[in-house]
Amino acid sequence: IAGITQAPTSQILAAGRRMTLRCTQDMRHNAMYWYRQDLGLGLRLIHYSNTAGTTGKGEVPDGYSVSRANTDDFPLTLASAVPSQTSVYFCASSDSVTSADTQYFGPGTRLTVL
Amino acid sequence: GQNIDQPTEMTATEGAIVQINCTYQTSGFNGLFWYQQHAGEAPTFLSYNVLDGLEEKGRFSSFLSRSKGYSYLLLKELQMKDSASYLCASMDSNYQLIWGAGTKLIIKP
Repeated sequence: IAGITQAPTSQILAAGRRMTLRCTQDMRHNAMYWYRQDLGLGLRLIHYSNTAGTTGKGEVPDGYSVSRANTDDFPLTLASAVPSQTSVYFCASSDSVTSADTQYFGPGTRLTVL
Repeated sequence: GQNIDQPTEMTATEGAIVQINCTYQTSGFNGLFWYQQHAGEAPTFLSYNVLDGLEEKGRFSSFLSRSKGYSYLLLKELQMKDSASYLCASMDSNYQLIWGAGTKLIIKP
């Protein structure tokens, strides 16, 4: 059982380019999340999904979009990357967003925007 | 506003005990989580407290005081592999986690 996988592991991207970060979980969790982690700051929620077909905005959604076509996949798209989006991106999942369930994290994608 | 405070860095000696404190202020409260994150890796779940008191799990224990908005993580019999960042997160009324910036724990031989 892999848990949560993310791809790519790392990426260097030119500003203005479009990029999709992939996230797949095999735990049949209903809820999925995208966070970014920057030095000196806590994890910040970008977008989340309560269940397949629904998405919601987190604390820092601007410049990012997500989709949830099925239970397993939750891709994050940067439509036109900017240097301030340089960060480590973590995908996470939990059984539910309506109870205090533990979130499980993928290995992360290290993104550099030049 | 919502805020989580924890020390930026702590240093301890192998075999000793260390306590990492966390104070939180969130809109509503559905529990306090502690995660461990080794450098370059994903956060991994350590503990969850929703009631006041101490929860012990092997060498790690976590304490919560809801009235004081305070929690701590206690690590006993420190090992070199415990060198990591420890993240405190409070779950708010919408069941979203509000994260502290993490405490980097350095273990010296």
